[in-house]
Amino acid sequence: DTAVSQTPKYLVTQMGNDKSIKCEQNLGHDTMYWYKQDSKKFLKIMFSYNNKELIINETVPNRFSPKSPDKAHLNLHINSLELGDSAVYFCASSQGNGLRTEAFFGQGTRLTVV
Amino acid sequence: GESVGLHLPTLSVQEGDNSIINCAYSNSASDYFIWYKQESGKGPQFIIDIRSNMDKRQGQRVTVLLNKTVKHLSLQIAATQPGDSAVYFCAERGDKIIFGKGTRLHILP
Repeated sequence: DTAVSQTPKYLVTQMGNDKSIKCEQNLGHDTMYWYKQDSKKFLKIMFSYNNKELIINETVPNRFSPKSPDKAHLNLHINSLELGDSAVYFCASSQGNGLRTEAFFGQGTRLTVV
Repeated sequence: GESVGLHLPTLSVQEGDNSIINCAYSNSASDYFIWYKQESGKGPQFIIDIRSNMDKRQGQRVTVLLNKTVKHLSLQIAATQPGDSAVYFCAERGDKIIFGKGTRLHILP
């Protein structure tokens, strides 16, 4: 069974469109994250939710809106897609958000905006 | 601001040799560090971690060294194998995990 699963794995869309990426974890964790990985492999956190509540919101355009319907799911909706949004987006989860807790990552969603 | 960086973007190692991947961090208050391995087309995968009250921790074929004086981490992989080919990230754990820029490990036959 996949611990952290994201759908879709690949997403190609035109500029200006709105798209969503879904994430589910079956680890029973209470904290979930979205990371963005650029073409140079740099991983940067975007959002973090703990028990369905937003706890970390980095400097991300408000076109990006995360939604956590329950502890096991964290979806990412992106409005008015731009070329610069092309990247690989990773969902992750951890038990708690304290120090010394590792995060488990999904396989990533490669978003290409054309 | 906080940053976790790596000295080398690409490291080529002969199969069977030992690999050493280095990382520098800037937040002296950090007390927990993680090494992740990312294979092509996959998400980062936990390898090993270390707390600031330790200077060395060993796993299976991997060892992490921490030098808080100079704010330096290293990951040593013994007897490097083709399956070790990946991008390796050091990361700092606070209220979020901050990743360094990554080092690509390339195994030479």
